[in-house]
Amino acid sequence: AQKITQTQPGMFVQEKEAVTLDCTYDTSDPSYGLFWYKQPSSGEMIFLIYQGSYDQQNATEGRYSLNFQKARKSANLVISASQLGDSAMYFCAMRGLNTGTASKLTFGTGTRLQVTL
Amino acid sequence: SQTIHQWPATLVQPVGSPLSLECTVEGTSNPNLYWYRQAAGRGLQLLFYSVGIGQISSEVPQNLSASRPQDRQFILSSKKLLLSDSGFYLCAWSVLSIGQSGTNYGYTFGSGTRLTVV
Repeated sequence: AQKITQTQPGMFVQEKEAVTLDCTYDTSDPSYGLFWYKQPSSGEMIFLIYQGSYDQQNATEGRYSLNFQKARKSANLVISASQLGDSAMYFCAMRGLNTGTASKLTFGTGTRLQVTL
Repeated sequence: SQTIHQWPATLVQPVGSPLSLECTVEGTSNPNLYWYRQAAGRGLQLLFYSVGIGQISSEVPQNLSASRPQDRQFILSSKKLLLSDSGFYLCAWSVLSIGQSGTNYGYTFGSGTRLTVV
């Protein structure tokens, strides 16, 4: 079984500042993938960044980076230089990567980020 | 490129009426398909997933059912809607088998259907 925990229901950050959204996970899978999605008020789920458990380096995608600490089972999302358009709900998710299986994506409860002027 | 279509975008239905939400995927073969529901201000709950035509797995007991009549078509249905069926429904697809490192194995989501049962 897999579990994703996001302990911050809401966060505020000032425009142009960096913000870290926390995510911890628990799994028995030896190989897994970690994901972050953004959900604006329109409802669509937008993929942001992916980290494989076997990756040696932390993933980065533009202003997004994933602070992956495997021993601590954490996969925090860092957004640098926040913009007003970053205001949204952010979900952490994970999926087992056992070859040949169709494992499911498990989501956390989300963090609502509000970027202020 | 792969695209996923989901409709309708919004729906208001009376209690006891039937429901049919459709999702189709283009540009890929034999995808895994998923239906999620999101209650207002909450996370995503997996309702059904399918690894092939006619193969449906249900994650939670409920008033809904799913069908996959074609490889790239996934339908969510109900014979009689309940008030508790209100929510935001998202369809998603992913690759079927996992075995290549460096590939993103996440889901691609449709734009969602906001269902209000009145």
